[in-house]
Amino acid sequence: DPKIIQKPKYLVAVTGSEKILICEQYLGHNAMYWYRQSAKKPLEFMFSYSYQKLMDNQTASSRFQPQSSKKNHLDLQITALKPDDSATYFCASETGVGNTLYFGEGSRLIVV
Amino acid sequence: GQQVQQSPSSLVLQEGENAELQCNFSSTATQLQWFYQSPGGSLVSLLSNPSGTKHTGRLTSTTVTKERRSSLHISSSQTTDSGTYLCAIERNNNRIFFGDGTQLVVKP
Repeated sequence: DPKIIQKPKYLVAVTGSEKILICEQYLGHNAMYWYRQSAKKPLEFMFSYSYQKLMDNQTASSRFQPQSSKKNHLDLQITALKPDDSATYFCASETGVGNTLYFGEGSRLIVV
Repeated sequence: GQQVQQSPSSLVLQEGENAELQCNFSSTATQLQWFYQSPGGSLVSLLSNPSGTKHTGRLTSTTVTKERRSSLHISSSQTTDSGTYLCAIERNNNRIFFGDGTQLVVKP
């Protein structure tokens, strides 16, 4: 059974709309991350959270907003979607800095 | 510049041959991991190896921290080993950087 659940697995959205990508981990980890992988770029760090607090943010655009309502949740809200946002978004978690990183199966977003 | 560089970018082998993948990184790393990603799939951690040599099954990773490089050796390759192998380093600030990966194709 997957220990990091991402929803939805696939999503088609219209340009200008808003979507939320869900991530829940059942590994008891304190640190959670969002990564993006597109055809044009390698796996790209977006955000890191530790104990529900933002630790690091690499995303230039404020259209991407992580939300952590619970310790094991880190959702990603994306507003004013653009075709360039099309990518697979991966959620990951680890016990703490320097430990093994575990990934969810990803949410593949296509913006038309 | 890119924090993690991997080589080769792609590799084609006959089943049974060995593979040697390289990873060079430009900054001090508190952790180094090798991941496997199947086509269209998620990432699975293969080895965590910030320094020294580690083995698991047919995989051997050697990391020389001072020289900021790591290698992943796959012995007796199988067709099911085909996919992308990614090297990632973690720094003190929780930020983890990935290389572009090596695409491995193992032919029967």
